[in-house]
Formats: sequence, structure tokens, C-alpha cells
Amino acid sequence: EAQVTQNPRYLITVTGKKLTVTCSQNMNHEYMSWYRQDPGLGLRQIYYSMNVEVTDKGDVPEGYKVSRKEKRNFPLILESPSPNQTSLYFCASSLRGTGNTIYFGEGSWLTVV
Amino acid sequence: AQSVTQPDIHITVSEGASLELRCNYSYGATPYLFWYVQSPGQGLQLLLKYFSGDTLVQGIKGFEAEFKRSQSSFNLRKPSVHWSDAAEYFCAVMDNYGQNFVFGPGTRLSVLP
Repeated sequence: EAQVTQNPRYLITVTGKKLTVTCSQNMNHEYMSWYRQDPGLGLRQIYYSMNVEVTDKGDVPEGYKVSRKEKRNFPLILESPSPNQTSLYFCASSLRGTGNTIYFGEGSWLTVV
Repeated sequence: AQSVTQPDIHITVSEGASLELRCNYSYGATPYLFWYVQSPGQGLQLLLKYFSGDTLVQGIKGFEAEFKRSQSSFNLRKPSVHWSDAAEYFCAVMDNYGQNFVFGPGTRLSVLP
């Protein structure tokens, strides 16, 4: 079954404690990206990757890091989380190029206290 | 860069009534347009997409959308709403390079019995 899998799905952490949200896809997609969803703002892109070892900033990259060492994995790293990073995070993937459907993970609820 | 607006934050309709959700976009060329639905606590599901050709697009669950270039709009419609359609709906636009995927703020749909 085609899937984008995120972990953890739910997390409460404290300010400043580094955390990683993993994302894995089993569709051999080149393109992967991370979004955060906040009320009234929709989904905003944090980072995206067009292929292995290629990453670029989205609209709201501050406070986040990513890496793309393997095609299937695209972890999101919060080096020093702050309360304003409390949000719902989605990972997504698709085949590279226009006209391809983007598949989303189920989301990761992150609370920073 | 492209942008998307959804003028209605929250819409309430009665079950069996018709529905139209508005979406306007800003982009220099003909964009790729999408509608996604997010049920409470769930991820995002693609309802339909427009890339080219016929401006009236059919999607899943009885939804359709019409691309109107002159109005920069891509409104979502359904002739008869079911209670299970209560969810949040997001319009999204992708640039012609397949890199930047921007969401609108979303419209929350409530359905009265």
C-alpha cells in the first residue's frame, strides 16, 4: 500500500529539547516536503527536497532543519523547539515534476511547552 | 510567488442542500489547482485536481470544480451535501515547476441534519 508514514503522531516536549519527526515514503518518490498547519493559515511549507541531498527552504523554514540522505526518508529536525512551533505537521511526497499527485502523511501533533 | 485565498472561513449548510466553496488564486501563468479535504483528526485527501483541458473537473465523493481563468477562481461544488462531508476543505496551487505548493487558509464546512 502506498504510504507516507510520520512518527511520532503525537508529542509533547519542552522548550529547547531537540526533537526529530521522521517521514518515510514507500513510493520511490523524488519530491518530499514538510508543512505546518495552523488555524486560519492553512498549510505552510517549511522545507522541500527535489531529490537525495537536495533540499530548499519553503515559506517558513526558521527554526527547522531537514536532511535527505536517502530517497525514502525526509526527517524534520527542531534543534531547539519553542512554543511557537506548536503545530500540526504534515509530510508529503510525489513523483518529481508537474502534474503529479502529492501524497500526505497523517500528520504529527507537536506541542512545545 | 503564487497565493491562494478562500474567502469563507466557515460555512454551514443543511444536509441535502447544494454547496459551493470559493477559491481564488494569484499566479502569473496557468497554475495547477487542487482541492483537498481534511476530516477531523485526519490527514489530507485529494478531492480533485486541474492541470489543463476541460475546465470542469470531476472528483471523488460527488464533488466537482470549475476553473475560470478570467476570475482566477477554482470553486468547489457539490449538488447535495451529506453529513459525512463535514470537514475542512483546502484549495491549493502548484507552480509550473512542480516545486512550490501553496495552500489556502481553508474553509470549515458544517452540515446540519
